[in-house]
Amino acid sequence: DGGITQSPKYLFRKEGQNVTLSCEQNLNHDAMYWYRQDPGQGLRLIYYSQIVNDFQKGDIAEGYSVSREKKESFPLTVTSAQKNPTAFYLCASSILQVGTGELFFGEGSRLTVL
Amino acid sequence: AQRVTQPEKLLSVFKGAPVELKCNYSYSGSPELFWYVQYSRQRLQLLLRHISRESIKGFTADLNKGETSFHLKKPFAQEEDSAMYYCAPGSSNTGKLIFGQGTTLQVKP
Repeated sequence: DGGITQSPKYLFRKEGQNVTLSCEQNLNHDAMYWYRQDPGQGLRLIYYSQIVNDFQKGDIAEGYSVSREKKESFPLTVTSAQKNPTAFYLCASSILQVGTGELFFGEGSRLTVL
Repeated sequence: AQRVTQPEKLLSVFKGAPVELKCNYSYSGSPELFWYVQYSRQRLQLLLRHISRESIKGFTADLNKGETSFHLKKPFAQEEDSAMYYCAPGSSNTGKLIFGQGTTLQVKP
C-alpha cells in the first residue's frame, strides 16, 4: 500500500520538551515537505528537502529541525524553542518535474503542548 | 512578497446552485497554479492544476493573469462537494507551493 505515513497521530508534550514527528514515504519521491496547519491561516511551510542529506528552511522554520538521511524518511523535531508548537502538522512528498506539482499528503499529526 | 488570498472563509450554497471560490495571488514570476481539496476525514489532495486545463468533478479554474486570480468554479454544486478548498500557486521544479487560508464550501440539500 503506497503512500505517506505520519506518526503519531496525536501527541501531547509538556513545555520544555522536544518531540519528533515521523514521516515515511514509499512513493520513491525525491522531495519531502513539512507544513503546519493552523485555523484561519492555511498551510505554512516549515522545511523542505529536495534530495537526501539536503534541506531548506521554509517560511516558519524557527524552533524546528529536520534531517533527511534516507530518501524515504523526513522526521521533524519540534524543539522547546518553538514558542507556539500546538498545531496540526502535515508531511508531504512529490516528484520534481515541471507540469506535475502534485503533493501527496499524510494524514497529519496533532501536537498539543500542555 | 508572495501571498495567496482566499477572501471567503465559508461559502454556503444550495445543491444545484453555481459555485465560485475566489483566489487572488501575488507571486514573482509566472507560477503554476493548483487547487487542493480536503474532504471530511480524508487527506488533502490535488483537485486540479491550471497547466492541464482539465475539468475535475465538474470544477474548472480560470487563470486571469492581469488580475492575478485563479477562481474555482462549478455550475451546479453537489452535496459531495462540501469540503475545504485551498488555492496554491508555486513551482513544480522546486515543489514549493504557497497555500491560501482555505475556503470551506458547504452545499446544503
